[in-house]
Amino acid sequence: GAVVSQHPSRVICKSGTSVKIECRSLDFQATTMFWYRQFPKQSLMLMATSNEGSKATYEQGVEKDKFLINHASLTLSTLTVTSAHPEDSSFYICSARDRLAGVTYEQYFGPGTRLTVT
Amino acid sequence: SQQGEEDPQALSIQEGENATMNCSYKTSINNLQWYRQNSGRGLVHLILIRSNEREKHSGRLRVTLDTSKKSSSLLITASRAADTASYFCATDSDGNNRLAFGKGNQVVVIP
Repeated sequence: GAVVSQHPSRVICKSGTSVKIECRSLDFQATTMFWYRQFPKQSLMLMATSNEGSKATYEQGVEKDKFLINHASLTLSTLTVTSAHPEDSSFYICSARDRLAGVTYEQYFGPGTRLTVT
Repeated sequence: SQQGEEDPQALSIQEGENATMNCSYKTSINNLQWYRQNSGRGLVHLILIRSNEREKHSGRLRVTLDTSKKSSSLLITASRAADTASYFCATDSDGNNRLAFGKGNQVVVIP
């Protein structure tokens, strides 16, 4: 089955530093990946759509200079939280859609990255 | 944007019973999907139902979709302790895979 990995699974950083989270599709190619954030006991909120070889598309209210997304290859997208603050502490989840999926709509989710900013 | 809303938010049932969750949404959709999330983990895709479908089955799962009421329900039959998780519905408005998730239902199945 299609597997999406994220690294790291947990990260603790100090306020003001930047943190990079990787999302990889392990056994398929993904021209499109999605980044979500989830606060405790809440739902997922779509942050941005990451397109291989082009700029990411951000949802309304998401600061593109704060959350830098790079989709440099068909199997890797990265999310960098710049100048992190405690309010950025959250669970970040990526998902990927198989390039060969055609008209199906299934996407595969990574296990998530728990970010804690102190 | 969040548009799916599930009701009820928390459900506790005995093993073997059925669990039903509802989801409502506000705008037109291309498809609606249900996901399961175990505590602190990623999401597992359960089932997808297209806007022109009314009912779909997958194993112990049954999903219905009523586009006139903009609502969907997920039924888990003969629940097991392993079904304990949070369940989310997510809508795809135009088929471009940008999902809007609902608030989620926490289901606890007591052995």
